[in-house]
Amino acid sequence: AAGVIQSPRHLIKEKRETATLKCYPIPRHDTVYWYQQGPGQDPQFLISFYEKMQSDKGSIPDRFSAQQFSDYHSELNMSSLELGDSALYFCASSLFGAGNTIYFGEGSWLTVV
Amino acid sequence: QQQVKQSPQSLIVQKGGISIINCAYENTAFDYFPWYQQFPGKGPALLIAIRPDVSEKKEGRFTISFNKSAKQFSLHIMDSQPGDSATYFCAPWRGRGSTLGRLYFGRGTQLTVWP
Repeated sequence: AAGVIQSPRHLIKEKRETATLKCYPIPRHDTVYWYQQGPGQDPQFLISFYEKMQSDKGSIPDRFSAQQFSDYHSELNMSSLELGDSALYFCASSLFGAGNTIYFGEGSWLTVV
Repeated sequence: QQQVKQSPQSLIVQKGGISIINCAYENTAFDYFPWYQQFPGKGPALLIAIRPDVSEKKEGRFTISFNKSAKQFSLHIMDSQPGDSATYFCAPWRGRGSTLGRLYFGRGTQLTVWP
């Protein structure tokens, strides 16, 4: 079965640079979530989209932005990168609605040097 | 603030033993109570979940026990195997409202099962 696809899997950026992460949800899933997980930490909710509209916003820095496109894929844009942004970024998808399982991708490792 | 408190932080169990991980929550608006399993460098994967109208759910070696009045739920892994060694997260969420689908993760429990 198709899973949530994230790219790139790994990237290294320098401080103050910009990074873009992509997420391709499971086919027919209309909701995408972004989480950030620091080393040894629990995942922290960043933002979610339903039908291309932002549906919920968590602890996402102002330097970050995201959107969901017409084909339901989503991109997380991170600018003015800081060392503290180094983390594993997960995308998850689901069908909108109560009780539907939320599936996670393999994550994108971002290292800021 | 941490809406979900998970314990223990780490757990070492011998093969064949029972692993028990607990989760306490504050928000009575939560509708779904899942446990996720995460291996190093991988995304969390849904292990088992329960709704608040049920007190227990069993799937194979994994059981969730739910105590609504105490606002607690726990994961029991019977006959623990080395392959179960992973980090486990409780991550309840609301089935309605603006935060529908947002998972509120506990801090995680690192389980090690040794032969």
